[in-house]
Amino acid sequence: EVQLVQSGAEVKKPGESLKISCKGSGYSFSNYWIGWVRQMPGKGLEWMGIIFPGGSDTRYSPSFQGQVTMSADKSISTAYLQWSSLKASDTAMYYCARKVGASYPPDYWGQGTLVTVSS
Amino acid sequence: QSALTQPPSASGSPGQSVTISCTGTSSDVGGYNYVSWYQQHPGKAPKLMIYEVTKRPSGVPDRFSGSKSGNTASLTVSGLQAEDEADYYCGSYAGRNSVFGSGTKVTVL
Repeated sequence: EVQLVQSGAEVKKPGESLKISCKGSGYSFSNYWIGWVRQMPGKGLEWMGIIFPGGSDTRYSPSFQGQVTMSADKSISTAYLQWSSLKASDTAMYYCARKVGASYPPDYWGQGTLVTVSS
Repeated sequence: QSALTQPPSASGSPGQSVTISCTGTSSDVGGYNYVSWYQQHPGKAPKLMIYEVTKRPSGVPDRFSGSKSGNTASLTVSGLQAEDEADYYCGSYAGRNSVFGSGTKVTVL
C-alpha cells in the first residue's frame, strides 16, 4: 500500500528555521516525483514545487523560488521542505504528494503538516 | 503563474447534476491535456477525482466526469449525493510547473 506520512505539527516563532518531512512507503520512492502544496487557513491549494528523488531535478513555482528549499534522501525514502527564516505568512497546512511524472497530477497525498508561525 | 479561475460556489439538490468550470489560458488548460480535478473535504487531504481531462482513477464513481473546450475545463457531478459536498479544485500542467484553480465549494441542498 502506497503511503506518504508527514511529520507532525510545528509551532515556531518568526525568524526561526524549520524542516518538515514526508516519508514514502509501498513504492519505489526514487522513481516518482514528490510535490509540495501549501494551503493557507481558509484558502485554496497552491503548488510550491516538485522534486525527483532519483535525480537532481527540482522545480520551484515562481512564487516560492528562493522562499523554501526542497530536498530528498532516497536512502530513507524521505522528502523535505525547509525554511531558513519563517514569517507569520508561512502559517499554513503543507501537503506532500506523489506524482508519476512532472506533468501528471498527484495520485497519493500525505496527511498534511500544520505549520504555525507566531510570536 | 495565476490561479485558474473557478466559480466560488455551486449547488444542487440530491440526484441533480452540477457543473464546475475552470478557466485558464493557452499556457496551461488550453495548451495541455493534463487537466485534473480534486475533491477536498474539511480537514482532509485532497483526493484526485479526474486526470488527463476525462480519466477517472480506480474507485472514483462514474458520476464524476470531465471535459475541456479551449481554455476552459469542466467537472460534472451527476446524481448528486450528500457526500459530494466538498471543495473542488481543478489543476493543470503549465510547462515545467503546475497550477491549481481557485476552488469551488459545492453544496448539496
